[in-house]
Amino acid sequence: KNQVEQSPQSLIILEGKNCTLQCNYTVSPFSNLRWYKQDTGRGPVSLTIMTFSENTKSNGRYTATLDADTKQSSLHITASQLSDSASYICVVSDRGSTLGRLYFGRGTQLTVWP
Amino acid sequence: EADIYQTPRYLVIGTGKKITLECSQTMGHDKMYWYQQDPGMELHLIHYSYGVNSTEKGDLSSESTVSRIRTEHFPLTLESARPSHTSQYLCASRDNKVAPASTDTQYFGPGTRLTVL
Repeated sequence: KNQVEQSPQSLIILEGKNCTLQCNYTVSPFSNLRWYKQDTGRGPVSLTIMTFSENTKSNGRYTATLDADTKQSSLHITASQLSDSASYICVVSDRGSTLGRLYFGRGTQLTVWP
Repeated sequence: EADIYQTPRYLVIGTGKKITLECSQTMGHDKMYWYQQDPGMELHLIHYSYGVNSTEKGDLSSESTVSRIRTEHFPLTLESARPSHTSQYLCASRDNKVAPASTDTQYFGPGTRLTVL
């Protein structure tokens, strides 16, 4: 069964600190993996996307890594800001799907305190 | 920034009412999707469309229906709303490029928070 598991479920950090969010998946065949940021009451917004051959991808203070062998990904946030408070969702796409079928994790709810 | 819009943003209605959630995009995307999301839970695909006059049910069974008469418009309708329909509904679209040019990225609207009393 294709699944995406994220940890931790929730996380509280102080402003300026770094944090790392984890994602494990069983989706096969694998096409790509995205991290989305979803602010409360809003739709998800794509942060990074990585294909099978990519190990790391950065977008400003966000750095995503991918280990396709162990089927794990992480999202590292550097020097956190209050605006980083949101749900971070790991999304995996299976290869060869004309639908563009996506498998969503439940997200990690990040709260940044001043 | 994605050009995909949803209205209304919030809706509170009584049981038995018929409602239509609107979704429109100005990017010319053929593929569009409806997701349902409960708090703290993953998004579940309830409907999708490959293009005009094409609609399919998604993974999660839903009593809602959709239509795709125009490329830019993908409304979702509940004929008789019930409290179990209370949820957030997210609309998304995807670009028309084919692999390897396509990134498979889906662009999401802001969502409609529906509460059925």
